[in-house]
Amino acid sequence: NAGVTQTPKFQVLKTGQSMTLQCAQDMNHEYMSWYRQDPGMGLRLIHYSVGAGITDQGEVPNGYNVSRSTTEDFPLRLLSAAPSQTSVYFCASSYLDMGFYEQYFGPGTRLTVT
Amino acid sequence: EDQVTQSPEALRLQEGESSSLNCSYTVSGLRGLFWYRQDPGKGPEFLFTLYSAGEEKEKERLKATLTKKESFLHITAPKPEDSATYLCAVSYQTGANNLFFGTGTRLTVIP
Repeated sequence: NAGVTQTPKFQVLKTGQSMTLQCAQDMNHEYMSWYRQDPGMGLRLIHYSVGAGITDQGEVPNGYNVSRSTTEDFPLRLLSAAPSQTSVYFCASSYLDMGFYEQYFGPGTRLTVT
Repeated sequence: EDQVTQSPEALRLQEGESSSLNCSYTVSGLRGLFWYRQDPGKGPEFLFTLYSAGEEKEKERLKATLTKKESFLHITAPKPEDSATYLCAVSYQTGANNLFFGTGTRLTVIP
């Protein structure tokens, strides 16, 4: 069981470039989510999914796209990177039974936009 | 406005010196309160879930409690390996497991 995996671990982008952060889980979890973590702020929800083919916006969705074609994968796309998107990004997953199950987090992707 | 506030921001303890971390919340319809531990450069690691006021959970030197407005994470006789940032989060949305996080308490335990 690998749990939640994320790639890449580090990435540097120039303003305006696009890229995809990968997230995969092998626990057959229905729920997957993306958070960003910035100094002095709590983790903030970007997008989430309650199952394959179903996605929705979280607290800070602007500038990001997601899709969920399989249960296992939930990639996060930056369409046109901006310095304000410099952050550490975490993917998480959980079962979705009454919404009470703990989320398992990946190791994170540290993104710098110059 | 829904809010989760953790205090203190940082805490330094001598090894063996017990203390408590606080998480206060102002959300309506709380479905669960979660405690996570985060080590530098790592993702958050799940510790506890609390669902209703009066509930308590323990794990080694950690004990989490919940009231209607706040939760405490009690650390008894801490060791240097307990040094980490402790995050509190609440779930309050029906139909999804979305979490709203506090900013965390950075704990340092000095040998």
